[in-house]
Amino acid sequence: AQSVSQHNHHVILSEAASLELGCNYSYGGTVNLFWYVQYPGQHLQLLLKYFSGDPLVKGIKGFEAEFIKSKFSFNLRKPSVQWSDTAEYFCAVTTDSWGKLQFGAGTQVVVTP
Amino acid sequence: DTGVSQDPRHKITKRGQNVTFRCDPISEHNRLYWYRQTLGQGPEFLTYFQNEAQLEKSRLLSDRFSAERPKGSFSTLEIQRTEQGDSAMYLCASSTLLAGGYNEQFFGPGTRLTVL
Repeated sequence: AQSVSQHNHHVILSEAASLELGCNYSYGGTVNLFWYVQYPGQHLQLLLKYFSGDPLVKGIKGFEAEFIKSKFSFNLRKPSVQWSDTAEYFCAVTTDSWGKLQFGAGTQVVVTP
Repeated sequence: DTGVSQDPRHKITKRGQNVTFRCDPISEHNRLYWYRQTLGQGPEFLTYFQNEAQLEKSRLLSDRFSAERPKGSFSTLEIQRTEQGDSAMYLCASSTLLAGGYNEQFFGPGTRLTVL
């Protein structure tokens, strides 16, 4: 069965530290890839997306992600986090033309001042 | 852009009661999705509409669940004879087809259902 795995459930780091969140999917065909973020008390928001082309994609708020097809991965990175990046981060994949999303379990990120 | 709206934001009900949730998508979006999210998990797909046609239903959507989008605009999700296991956040998302066949979904704030 298709699945999306996020490697860490909880990450705690200090401001200015670098962040990398892992995401792997199990599907051999064409995929569209997404990272969504959910800030405390807010709804899911799109952080960035990959459809095709350059495998290094840049999103909002200084986030970027790299699609490595050979590793079935789409890891999220930010060089220097801020306290306001405290949120839950979800990786998601679509594998069909209807676009229904399959999500990972999410990673709760806490940034301490 | 008013975004995707959902009503109510919170619903507490007793086991066995019926509940109905409403989703209003972004006005020009012809695709509408329902997802369910339980604590500690990512959202799980329930069903999907293109305009008024319901095109796919997940096996998670038991016979007690029904969704409609009668005029291709707002959608309703009804749960009959609620069970405690139905307690979850119910999310609605909408999208439109982009050039190249791509699809970017925008989520509403969700309806949190608690079944006592």
